[in-house]
Amino acid sequence: NAGVTQTPKFRILKIGQSMTLQCTQDMNHNYMYWYRQDPGMGLKLIYYSVGAGITDKGEVPNGYNVSRSTTEDFPLRLELAAPSQTSVYFCASSSTRREQYFGPGTRLTVT
Amino acid sequence: EDQVTQSPEALRLQEGESSSLNCSYTVSGLRGLFWYRQDPGKGPEFLFTLYSAGEEKEKERLKATLTKKESFLHITAPKPEDSATYLCAINFGNEKLTFGTGTRLTIIP
Repeated sequence: NAGVTQTPKFRILKIGQSMTLQCTQDMNHNYMYWYRQDPGMGLKLIYYSVGAGITDKGEVPNGYNVSRSTTEDFPLRLELAAPSQTSVYFCASSSTRREQYFGPGTRLTVT
Repeated sequence: EDQVTQSPEALRLQEGESSSLNCSYTVSGLRGLFWYRQDPGKGPEFLFTLYSAGEEKEKERLKATLTKKESFLHITAPKPEDSATYLCAINFGNEKLTFGTGTRLTIIP
């Protein structure tokens, strides 16, 4: 039982490039989330999903897109990367509105 | 807007010196308060969930308590391995959690 896995662990992007951050969970959780964490700023919700085919915006969705075609996977797409998207990205999952379980994170640098 | 405030921002303790971390919130219908531990370079690790005032949860040297306006994470006789950032998060009645900015705890041997 791996829990929540994220790939890649680290990535450096040039301004204007695009990439997809992968997130997979094996706990059969319906709810999945994407957060970004900047130093001193806490975790900010980017997008979330309450089930396959259903997604909604969080607090800071601009510059990102998501899709949820299966219960297990919730990829986060960055289009036209900007330096402001330099951050650590965490994926999480939960069963209904209970505690969330987090992945190990992806550290992204945009230069 | 529902908000979560954690204090202090940072806390340095000697090994064995007990203390408490605070998480306060503006209430619009709390549906659960969650405590997490985060080590540098890792994702947050779930510790406790509290749902109603008066509730307490314990795990090793940690005890979490909840009142109508705040929660405390009490650390008894801490060890250096308890050093981490402790995050508080609240469910205000929807599918999302609102996180505080955390307390960075350092235990000095």
